[in-house]
Amino acid sequence: GAGVSQSPRYKVAKRGQDVALRCDPISGHVSLFWYQQALGQGPEFLTYFQNEAQLDKSGLPSDRFFAERPEGSVSTLKIQRTQQEDSAVYLCASSSPLDLNTEAFFGQGTRLTVV
Amino acid sequence: GIQVEQSPPDLILQEGANSTLRCNFSDSVNNLQWFHQNPWGQLINLFYIPSGTKQNGRLSATTVATERYSLLYISSSQTTDSGVYFCAVGDNSKLTFGKGITLSVRP
Repeated sequence: GAGVSQSPRYKVAKRGQDVALRCDPISGHVSLFWYQQALGQGPEFLTYFQNEAQLDKSGLPSDRFFAERPEGSVSTLKIQRTQQEDSAVYLCASSSPLDLNTEAFFGQGTRLTVV
Repeated sequence: GIQVEQSPPDLILQEGANSTLRCNFSDSVNNLQWFHQNPWGQLINLFYIPSGTKQNGRLSATTVATERYSLLYISSSQTTDSGVYFCAVGDNSKLTFGKGITLSVRP
């Protein structure tokens, strides 16, 4: 596609509910990233994929957070047993590090509200 | 990890004024990007500039990698320039963002 696409744009979950957030990267982009942005803060790194391999998950805040990219394209971020502190905007980005330019492009994000 | 500091935290301009936004970082990097986050939350790419100088219309940016800082210049500001400006630095595997600079341009 023309840009990074995320769905849903908005999600309201009851505390304890599981949620799944989807990211469609720019076609052909090898690298995919997930970030979490709390209100009034800059985005913070969660995890990184190169193709289907999850090379860095150091930013995932707890074992309730899980990400996958089984075919090296679409990625899903899953949050189990959501808590109020999980409320944030979740941003996905992709880039193509096969040349010297590793510019990352971001989707519009999914705003998660846990009530 | 890398520390990123942006200044000033808030900036109010009259339409038509010029401004300089600064980003300091604590370690050498091979990726530096400037973004504008619009009111709907979209991060819009302004510059990919790990070193050197680039210009795009009324905006320009300079990164001095050896001294670990980058500057974003906005000339002849417009109300549509309002929003939050982020500097992000890192390598191929992740970016570290500053806290952002909130710019308000008044008509």
